[in-house]
Amino acid sequence: TQLLEQSPQFLSIQEGENLTVYCNSSSVFSSLQWYRQEPGEGPVLLVTVVTGGEVKKLKRLTFQFGDARKDSSLHITAAQPGDTGLYLCAGEESNYQLIWGAGTKLIIKP
Amino acid sequence: EPEVTQTPSHQVTQMGQEVILRCVPISNHLYFYWYRQILGQKVEFLVSFYNNEISEKSEIFDDQFSVERPDGSNFTLKIRSTKLEDSAMYFCASTRAGGTDTQYFGPGTRLTVL
Repeated sequence: TQLLEQSPQFLSIQEGENLTVYCNSSSVFSSLQWYRQEPGEGPVLLVTVVTGGEVKKLKRLTFQFGDARKDSSLHITAAQPGDTGLYLCAGEESNYQLIWGAGTKLIIKP
Repeated sequence: EPEVTQTPSHQVTQMGQEVILRCVPISNHLYFYWYRQILGQKVEFLVSFYNNEISEKSEIFDDQFSVERPDGSNFTLKIRSTKLEDSAMYFCASTRAGGTDTQYFGPGTRLTVL
C-alpha cells in the first residue's frame, strides 16, 4: 500500500503570512488531488494535478505536482482567516483508488 | 501506521442487484462515515454512525441504503437494489472522537452499475 505523508499536521499563522503544505510519497501516482474539508462535511475538491511538474493556481493558492509525480505542495499567499480549515491531499493509484494524507489543520489568525 | 481499508476496490453489478461495500475502520475509532463521489462531481456525505446507530444521514441515504457494524471491526454499506445512478466511488472514513476530529479516509470502492 502506498503511503502519502502530509506535513505539517497543524499550522497556525497570522493573517497575511505565506505558507506551504507538503504531500510526499515514495511511490508514483497517476494524479494527485487536494481537498479542503469543513467540520461535519465531506472533503471538497480544490484541484487535481496530473502531469509531472504541473502548476495550478486557484486565486491565492498554488498547487504543484513534483516532476516524478511522487510529491505535491500547496502554497497559500497572504493567508486570510477564511482559509482556515483542514486541507487533505489524496493520490490516485492506477486502479482509481485514492490514498489519503492525514491532513493539515490550518488556522489563520486575524 | 493504522489505516482504513475498504473492499472490494472495484465492484461491478447489474441494475437491481444488492451490493455490500465493506470497510474496516481504524481499530480505536468510534465514529464511522460513508461518502460517495460520482465521477467528476464533489464528494457527498451519506451517513455517520456511532454507538451502533445512525447519527446523521443525508437525503441521498434513502431506504435503499443501510449500514451495519456486524462485528467489532467491519462497517458495511448495503445498497438493496442498485440503480445506474448509484455508480460512484464510495469512501469510508473513521474518526476517534467525532465532531471536528480528523477523519481518516479509506481508499474507496468503485461501484459500477450496468
